[in-house]
Amino acid sequence: ETGVTQSPTHLIKTRGQQVTLRCSSQSGHNTVSWYQQALGQGPQFIFQYYREEENGRGNFPPRFSGLQFPNYSSELNVNALELDDSALYLCASSPGTGGGGYGYTFGSGTRLTVV
Amino acid sequence: KNQVEQSPQSLIILEGKNCTLQCNYTVSPFSNLRWYKQDTGRGPVSLTIMTFSENTKSNGRYTATLDADTKQSSLHITASQLSDSASYICVVSARTSYGKLTFGQGTILTVHP
Repeated sequence: ETGVTQSPTHLIKTRGQQVTLRCSSQSGHNTVSWYQQALGQGPQFIFQYYREEENGRGNFPPRFSGLQFPNYSSELNVNALELDDSALYLCASSPGTGGGGYGYTFGSGTRLTVV
Repeated sequence: KNQVEQSPQSLIILEGKNCTLQCNYTVSPFSNLRWYKQDTGRGPVSLTIMTFSENTKSNGRYTATLDADTKQSSLHITASQLSDSASYICVVSARTSYGKLTFGQGTILTVHP
């Protein structure tokens, strides 16, 4: 059984650029959620995808968007990067919609630095 | 607004000693509470998960308690080891159509030899 894998592990981008982060869900998991974790803070919920559709979103602007593919892997896209977007981006997968919050498995994250 | 507050923000203890971390939450409707350990720059790893009806759960040297009436939880670590140095995050899940997780800000534990 494979865990959640994220790529790349580290990334440096310039303000105003666009970035795509990738996540492969754990085998048997059909739901993926994304979180932003600023340094010294707890993760903040960005959005969740279930069966290729967004079914929950946190307080993030529209320039944060995502996709889920038929194999349940997912992408997080951020347009018009700002310095405050610098953070660790975590992906978590779970079986089902996670309505009970069970079975979340986190990846190791992508460290994004915006300069 | 759903919130999770943890205390203390940071803690330094000597190897072999015990410690207790606290978590207060205002998440409704409550589904479950879990404690995660997060090493620097890594993703969180689950230690325990408790539902409304459970008031204690152990995982090796980690013991979590839950008081659903007062909406408080604690994580007790016994006989600490250097490898316990990490951030410990309390995470509460609401019983919604999707399992949105609300994270605390974490307690940074440092274990010194």
